[in-house]
Amino acid sequence: GDSVTQMEGPVTLSEEAFLTINCTYTATGYPSLFWYVQYPGEGLQLLLKATKADDKGSNKGFEATYRKETTSFHLEKGSVQVSDSAVYFCALREDSTLTFGKGTMLLVSP
Amino acid sequence: DADVTQTPRNRITKTGKRIMLECSQTKGHDRMYWYRQDPGLGLRLIYYSFDVKDINKGEISDGYSVSRQAQAKFSLSLESAIPNQTALYFCATSDPRTYQETQYFGPGTRLLVL
Repeated sequence: GDSVTQMEGPVTLSEEAFLTINCTYTATGYPSLFWYVQYPGEGLQLLLKATKADDKGSNKGFEATYRKETTSFHLEKGSVQVSDSAVYFCALREDSTLTFGKGTMLLVSP
Repeated sequence: DADVTQTPRNRITKTGKRIMLECSQTKGHDRMYWYRQDPGLGLRLIYYSFDVKDINKGEISDGYSVSRQAQAKFSLSLESAIPNQTALYFCATSDPRTYQETQYFGPGTRLLVL
């Protein structure tokens, strides 16, 4: 079945550092890919998405490119802020439901 | 007002008790979902419903049941709660008519089973 693998956290960075959170997936077809973010005490909210190979999703300075050849969808941001501290979930949708990774906690210090 | 609401936000119960978690939405979406979140395990799908007459089991439905009372309401029941059902529970909705069908999540219900 479908699966999503994310790098384990926590990822600890100083403000303005570069961020990469790795995500790879296994799917039988051509899934849509998503990054969701969960701020402390809140539910998940969509951060960005991509539906086909080479698509780049972007939002709030975050980017991720759908790489079919490496089955990856790594999340990047050039300069993180303290307010980016949250848990980040990579997810895929191949049929009608989402399959999530285990989440990666990001902690950004001033 | 929030588009997806969950009640209660926190609940403590004892082993063997029956409890119900409720989800309501004002987004007008046909599709609704229940997930549980456990540390280190991410989100796992319990049940989902594509319309009022459609209920489907997810990855981990054992020990749970659901009821779709109306388009806007989707309840999750634990028939006889056990400690390993202690988790954070999320409801979500989506509209299949929208491009890429984003799911919208409620704020979660934190459940502790003693």
